[in-house]
Amino acid sequence: GAGVSQSPRYKVAKRGQDVALRCDPISGHVSLFWYQQALGQGPEFLTYFQNEAQLDKSGLPSDRFFAERPEGSVSTLKIQRTQQEDSAVYLCASSVLRVNTEAFFGQGTRLTVV
Amino acid sequence: LAKTTQPISMDSYEGQEVNITCSHNNIATNDYITWYQQFPSQGPRFIIQGYKTKVTNEVASLFIPADRKSSTLSLPRVSLSDTAVYYCLVGEFRDSNYQLIWGAGTKLIIKP
Repeated sequence: GAGVSQSPRYKVAKRGQDVALRCDPISGHVSLFWYQQALGQGPEFLTYFQNEAQLDKSGLPSDRFFAERPEGSVSTLKIQRTQQEDSAVYLCASSVLRVNTEAFFGQGTRLTVV
Repeated sequence: LAKTTQPISMDSYEGQEVNITCSHNNIATNDYITWYQQFPSQGPRFIIQGYKTKVTNEVASLFIPADRKSSTLSLPRVSLSDTAVYYCLVGEFRDSNYQLIWGAGTKLIIKP
């Protein structure tokens, strides 16, 4: 497809369950970002990849959060032992460059931890 | 810290011009100003980006004064479909990593 694709669109997890969220960026985009967006708030940066290299993971809230992009295209955000405070929309974006350029966002995955 | 301040919400009417102002007093010399639009249940969408003076594209204009401490997004002749949240972004370095900082945005409501 022409845009950034995220799956699943919705995920309900029981507290303590592990989840994996997938992002298919635009083909050829070097930069890939993950954000967390709580209801009524702006996106909060989680992590950044340049190709397969994770150059910035300073926004990951705990060691339960892990992201990978092994071949420099598809990325997966994994959350282990989910907690209720992990409930949010997780957004993936890709761009040609890291800075001063248009980022293309997916529709997000809404995670609800019950 | 480079951060932005925008009105929390604004109302306007169809056919009007809407101006949303953002302040960014600590913007870095080489930083650009970027605006995104977000509809409910969708990811943000890029609107416009600029460094100084004025930038115009098919959907909006961006006015940036010489001191670059603020910027104004101008939406000409808005319609109901322009109801959305608008984010003004600048970047900052955190632990030597450059990040775009998102605030809570401006919720724009267009009335018929």
